[in-house]
Amino acid sequence: SQELEQSPQSLIVQEGKNLTINCTSSKTLYGLYWYKQKYGEGLIFLMMLQKGGEEKSHEKITAKLDEKKQQSSLHITASQPSHAGIYLCGADIVGYGNKLVFGAGTILRVKS
Amino acid sequence: EPEVTQTPSHQVTQMGQEVILRCVPISNHLYFYWYRQILGQKVEFLVSFYNNEISEKSEIFDDQFSAERPDGSNFTLKIRSTKLEDSAMYFCASRRQGSNIQYFGAGTRLSVL
Repeated sequence: SQELEQSPQSLIVQEGKNLTINCTSSKTLYGLYWYKQKYGEGLIFLMMLQKGGEEKSHEKITAKLDEKKQQSSLHITASQPSHAGIYLCGADIVGYGNKLVFGAGTILRVKS
Repeated sequence: EPEVTQTPSHQVTQMGQEVILRCVPISNHLYFYWYRQILGQKVEFLVSFYNNEISEKSEIFDDQFSAERPDGSNFTLKIRSTKLEDSAMYFCASRRQGSNIQYFGAGTRLSVL
């Protein structure tokens, strides 16, 4: 399914650099969730965004949801090796029940 | 910090066999979910569970699959007559009433040979 598109597919950044990952839905969202997954492991919840225009930060990670509630971005400032992993956006989509629909993920590598 | 626990972490089975994947959700959570992730693909919803009953299931969740809560703490996913294409990571998730955040377990890697 193509309900959620994530970009880029993969990203290699030098330690200390900033980066942005995007997640776009063709449909209106009830909520947008960012998770981090280490290869072959579980999903770790990072942030939830529910209101149009909402922005949340935790340590060096900031996530935003646009006013129309169809696009979100995840921004990492001054990346560190500990930020490496797979970032997944998941969404409650209007009319899709209470399940989460996920994007394909963005693989982030941070070079020291 | 409470967490969702899944067992086993890795299950190897022969094609045609039945497997049961187990999950212990966070203790005060009432909504439970199973998802799967085939290698290299998206995480896909299988089934959701509330009040000891299935509340929603996907097209993937056909007669080969069943989910139940056999006791007050465990939540299971049974796959009958496994096929090669059932090989995947299976994730359990739970959330509490009044919150939309789903917390995921570490997953069970199912390998069907």
